[in-house]
Amino acid sequence: GESVGLHLPTLSVQEGDNSIINCAYSNSASDYFIWYKQESGKGPQFIIDIRSNMDKRQGQRVTVLLNKTVKHLSLQIAATQPGDSAVYFCAVSGPNSGYSTLTFGKGTMLLVSP
Amino acid sequence: SQTIHQWPATLVQPVGSPLSLECTVEGTSNPNLYWYRQAAGRGLQLLFYSVGIGQISSEVPQNLSASRPQDRQFILSSKKLLLSDSGFYLCAWSADALRGYGYTFGSGTRLTVV
Repeated sequence: GESVGLHLPTLSVQEGDNSIINCAYSNSASDYFIWYKQESGKGPQFIIDIRSNMDKRQGQRVTVLLNKTVKHLSLQIAATQPGDSAVYFCAVSGPNSGYSTLTFGKGTMLLVSP
Repeated sequence: SQTIHQWPATLVQPVGSPLSLECTVEGTSNPNLYWYRQAAGRGLQLLFYSVGIGQISSEVPQNLSASRPQDRQFILSSKKLLLSDSGFYLCAWSADALRGYGYTFGSGTRLTVV
């Protein structure tokens, strides 16, 4: 099976700082990874994904880094803004599940102070 | 473009009453469909998923059931609600697994069993 954990339940940063949210997974066969953002009372929203044939992928103000050797991925948010305050989930999938299901981590709450 | 609709947004039901939550997807065909539950301050727990009409996989044995009467319709039901069924229920869809698309979530239903 797959288990997904996050290193910190809450991360507090100042506006303008860079934020790094970490995630560890257990199944070395996992090869598709996604980060979601969930604001209070809403469904999770897709932020960025990465496949195992890549180590890094960049979006708008966000970067996902994947280290397959230690089964770790991170989400970096540049110049964090108050609107980035939310819970962030990593999710993992792979051939064992036929990509039909994702396993979600428990989430990290990002708090951005002005 | 694809859209996912989930209703109702909030629901308060007495213990022992039945439940029916509906989810529909537009703009795509043969999606994978999912029901997740999220307890307060916790991660996402996969309840059911479906890769086609009439095909339901249950991840967690419990007081709930799911049905997929049409290609783009997914229903979560219970005959008799328990207090422990309270939570935030999320429907999601994904495209063909080989394309590796992540999920798109609905806006969620906040269920309170009293």
